[in-house]
Parts: sequence; C-alpha cells; structure tokens
Amino acid sequence: KAGVTQTPRYLIKTRGQQVTLSCSPISGHRSVSWYQQTPGQGLQFLFEYFSETQRNKGNFPGRFSGRQFSNSRSEMNVSTLELGDSALYLCASSLIRGLGTEAFFGQGTRLTVV
Amino acid sequence: GQNIDQPTEMTATEGAIVQINCTYQTSGFNGLFWYQQHAGEAPTFLSYNVLDGLEEKGRFSSFLSRSKGYSYLLLKELQMKDSASYLCAVFAVFSVKLIFGTGTRLQVFP
Repeated sequence: KAGVTQTPRYLIKTRGQQVTLSCSPISGHRSVSWYQQTPGQGLQFLFEYFSETQRNKGNFPGRFSGRQFSNSRSEMNVSTLELGDSALYLCASSLIRGLGTEAFFGQGTRLTVV
Repeated sequence: GQNIDQPTEMTATEGAIVQINCTYQTSGFNGLFWYQQHAGEAPTFLSYNVLDGLEEKGRFSSFLSRSKGYSYLLLKELQMKDSASYLCAVFAVFSVKLIFGTGTRLQVFP
C-alpha cells in the first residue's frame, strides 16, 4: 500500500511568485491536512480537506489556499511568496475525520523563497 | 486557548532511559499522539493515549494524565537510531484537528 506522496520534494522560488504543492493521500483516505513546519514554530496547522470541502482552517493569511479533488488528492497554493514562507510543508492523510484517527504524513515539500 | 509545551532539546547515552514530557492546555481534549521525526523525513506515528495510564509498545511507552494535562514518552534501551525529534500532538474535538508542540530534539550519544 503506497504511503502519502508529496510533490515536488524541493522547490526554490523568488519573492512575489506563487507556488502549488501536491499531495496524494493513502488510497481510501478521505481526509487531508496540511501543515507548515519551521524550526522555531514546529508544525502549524494550515487547513484540512474532507470530501472536497475545506473543513478546518488555521491562522494563516489568505495567500494560503487549497483544494481537494474527487480522488482525494489535494493541492495547496501560496501566492505572493514571502521570505518567511520558507518551510517544510507536510501533508497528512487520515481514513476518516475525528477521534483517535492516526494521521500518516508525507515526506514533505521543502520550499525555499529567495 | 490551546497550548502545548515540551522541552526543546534533550541528550542521553546509548542504552539509557529517557523521558520526554509534554504538558498541554486545550478545550475539548480527546487524545494525545506522539510522533517521531528523523531529520529530513516525515513524522511517523508512535503512540496514542486517550485514557489515563501507561501504554507500552516495545521499547517505547507513553503515559497520560488528563486531570494534569500531562503526558510523557519513555524510551528504554536507547539506540543511536533513536536520535530524532519527538512531537507531542493533542487532538482537539471542537476544532477537529491535531495541534502539535514544537517538538523535542533528542540526541543519543555512544
């Protein structure tokens, strides 16, 4: 059974550009969550998608957006990139939402903004 | 509000025992997870506690006290490969999401 796949693994962008990251969850998993990981802040929750709908959103500016497709694959987009957006972006998939649901993480996309 | 605290760094010797503490404050608590993350890799699931007490899984054990908002991860017979970051995460029912601490970086020395 394939794990969570994130593409690309590494990305370098310049300030002001936009970027799209992709996440393919484990087959059969319908919940996909996105996190930003930086050395000082740890994992910060960005948003969660379930059945193609955003169910939950963290405290990030509107430049961060996402979507989920009918096959549960998800994309996140960051527009007007800033230096502070440099981070590891992790996607996690779960079978269902809610209690005691183990989240499986992808390897992440390391974004560097220069 | 929601807050999770864990030490930033710890060091230990191969073969020893180490305890990584995690304290939390959250509304609608319903479960605490521990994840292990090696540098440059994805976090991997270690344990889940929803009731008070100790859960043992091989060399790793996790303890939860809901009344104290406290958990610990106990690692026995430390091995060099245990050098990693250990992330404590709380599942908040009302917000239906996992909230992570900043992680504890453990270094195991020979």
